[in-house]
Amino acid sequence: AQTVTQSQPEMSVQEAETVTLSCTYDTSESDYYLFWYKQPPSRQMILVIRQEAYKQQNATENRFSVNFQKAAKSFSLKISDSQLGDAAMYFCAYRSATIGGTSYGKLTFGQGTILTVHP
Amino acid sequence: DGGITQSPKYLFRKEGQNVTLSCEQNLNHDAMYWYRQDPGQGLRLIYYSQIVNDFQKGDIAEGYSVSREKKESFPLTVTSAQKNPTAFYLCASSILQGYYGYTFGSGTRLTVV
Repeated sequence: AQTVTQSQPEMSVQEAETVTLSCTYDTSESDYYLFWYKQPPSRQMILVIRQEAYKQQNATENRFSVNFQKAAKSFSLKISDSQLGDAAMYFCAYRSATIGGTSYGKLTFGQGTILTVHP
Repeated sequence: DGGITQSPKYLFRKEGQNVTLSCEQNLNHDAMYWYRQDPGQGLRLIYYSQIVNDFQKGDIAEGYSVSREKKESFPLTVTSAQKNPTAFYLCASSILQGYYGYTFGSGTRLTVV
């Protein structure tokens, strides 16, 4: 079974600065997808960014980018020019792409990192 | 607009009672999922369904039951056998191909009184 680990329960950043959230995962599969979700105080889960494992290029969405290191099984999220609205819990998640496998279709989440943004 | 709707937003239950949480989607997604979220913990999978009339246990299925009679609906029943049901429950749906991730509902907060 796959596991996802977020080793930072809490992080903080000053407004306009950059912060990086860490995520590692364990899998024996070669084809999969990785995601970062944001959960603000409203508790609505919002997709921030996603990465396909077979793509070497790191995904970028505006101020959000990832550093995907497949060999190291690492998938960190960098938030540039942090804003007050970025304050939330962030979840890293793994989804198998192996059709018919026991984990196919299921998202496995990390424990989450609470991000605080200071004005 | 397409989306996924959970109801109610808040639910109170007396000990020993069963309660059912509703989850409806109009996204034409094949798969639906129920997750439980506790403070300081990530999301844990309760049940999931990839096709109508079929569902599978997740990691913490004990004390819960589901049905999938329609593609659009995946209700979760929290039974009296669930020892610690107070939690935040999230429903999600997706197409089976993985790139698009999940669409989540807004959640139901269940409190046992």
